[in-house]
Amino acid sequence: KQEVTQIPAALSVPEGENLVLNCSFTDSAIYNLQWFRQDPGKGLTSLLLIQSSQREQTSGRLNASLDKSSGRSTLYIAASQPGDSATYLCAVRWGSSNTGKLIFGQGTTLQVKP
Amino acid sequence: DTEVTQTPKHLVMGMTNKKSLKCEQHMGHRAMYWYKQKAKKPPELMFVYSYEKLSINESVPSRFSPECPNSSLLNLHLHALQPEDSALYLCASSHRDRLGETQYFGPGTRLLVL
Repeated sequence: KQEVTQIPAALSVPEGENLVLNCSFTDSAIYNLQWFRQDPGKGLTSLLLIQSSQREQTSGRLNASLDKSSGRSTLYIAASQPGDSATYLCAVRWGSSNTGKLIFGQGTTLQVKP
Repeated sequence: DTEVTQTPKHLVMGMTNKKSLKCEQHMGHRAMYWYKQKAKKPPELMFVYSYEKLSINESVPSRFSPECPNSSLLNLHLHALQPEDSALYLCASSHRDRLGETQYFGPGTRLLVL
């Protein structure tokens, strides 16, 4: 069964810390992996997309890595800010068609304290 | 324009009502999706449309009826819903480019069934 797991479920850090969010998945034959951010009661904002052939992607203070062989991805947030407080969701797509299904992890709720 | 819009933002309906949720995107994406998200849970896929044809139905009850009138518009018709159908309903669209295939989400419609 294709599953996505995120640990920890919640994380609280002081402002300025660098932090890592973890995502693991069964079945290493993924098509791509996408990290999202969701603020309470809001929709999802796409942060980074990593194709199966890539090892990492960067956008500003965010860096996502992918290790297919171990079934893991990490989202690194540098110099965290209170505005980074949100739930971060990892989603994996298996299958290469235009309508591949995204399977989400349960999310990590991040709180960055001033 | 990387925006997916959804209306209404909030909806309260009785179990005998008929209502519709609307989703629109003008990015030229040919795949559109409906997801359901319960509180503190990740989104779960309901339907996928590809080139205006239904390609995935995740065993969703018939009281939810999707419709894709054209390539920019996706509707979800609701009839005889149950209180447990109360949730955030998210629409997304995607396309494939040199960077891969990113799903873009709308802000959601928060539905309460009384």
